[in-house]
Amino acid sequence: GQQLNQSPQSMFIQEGEDVSMNCTSSSIFNTWLWYKQDPGEGPVLLIALYKAGELTSNGRLTAQFGITRKDSFLNISASIPSDVGIYFCAGEGSQGNLIFGKGTKLSVKP
Amino acid sequence: SQTIHQWPATLVQPVGSPLSLECTVEGTSNPNLYWYRQAAGRGLQLLFYSVGIGQISSEVPQNLSASRPQDRQFILSSKKLLLSDSGFYLCAWSVFQYGYTFGSGTRLTVV
Repeated sequence: GQQLNQSPQSMFIQEGEDVSMNCTSSSIFNTWLWYKQDPGEGPVLLIALYKAGELTSNGRLTAQFGITRKDSFLNISASIPSDVGIYFCAGEGSQGNLIFGKGTKLSVKP
Repeated sequence: SQTIHQWPATLVQPVGSPLSLECTVEGTSNPNLYWYRQAAGRGLQLLFYSVGIGQISSEVPQNLSASRPQDRQFILSSKKLLLSDSGFYLCAWSVFQYGYTFGSGTRLTVV
């Protein structure tokens, strides 16, 4: 079936650093979504991408829908402590359901 | 505006006991409804989805079942819980499959 490979699995950030994560697949997706999940909460939609090549920003977040429709990245600029959490990419599958990556866990450097 | 309610927030149940988690949506009609499970430190696993009253699709064979008795109500059940049923359960809704909105989740611990 369709699968998404999300990387990195986890990363540590220092305040002010830029962060980048991505998702790839061997399948084509028509929609890419990025979610953030805080501990003990449900995921919240950050950015939705609907067209190949689309680059969309939401504050310090920028995401792009790859031209091949098989990948997407999310960048966070000038990270702050409240950016910690788990970030999920999701693609709309061939049957209209959403397929999620396994998540990227963002933590603050000790 | 649309809202989604999920309860309870936390639940501790003994092995072999039944389970009923409820999810309701307000402010929309005929939504697609979903139940996901998230094991500790892992991604989201789709358990069930429903495109209408009484219509349930199961993604993963398991010890759980789902029902949709009303348009905006989705229930996750089990007759006898297993230890492996522990996890974080999330309900979500969508219209036209775009931008799922998640509930706040139920932390289930089976002891």
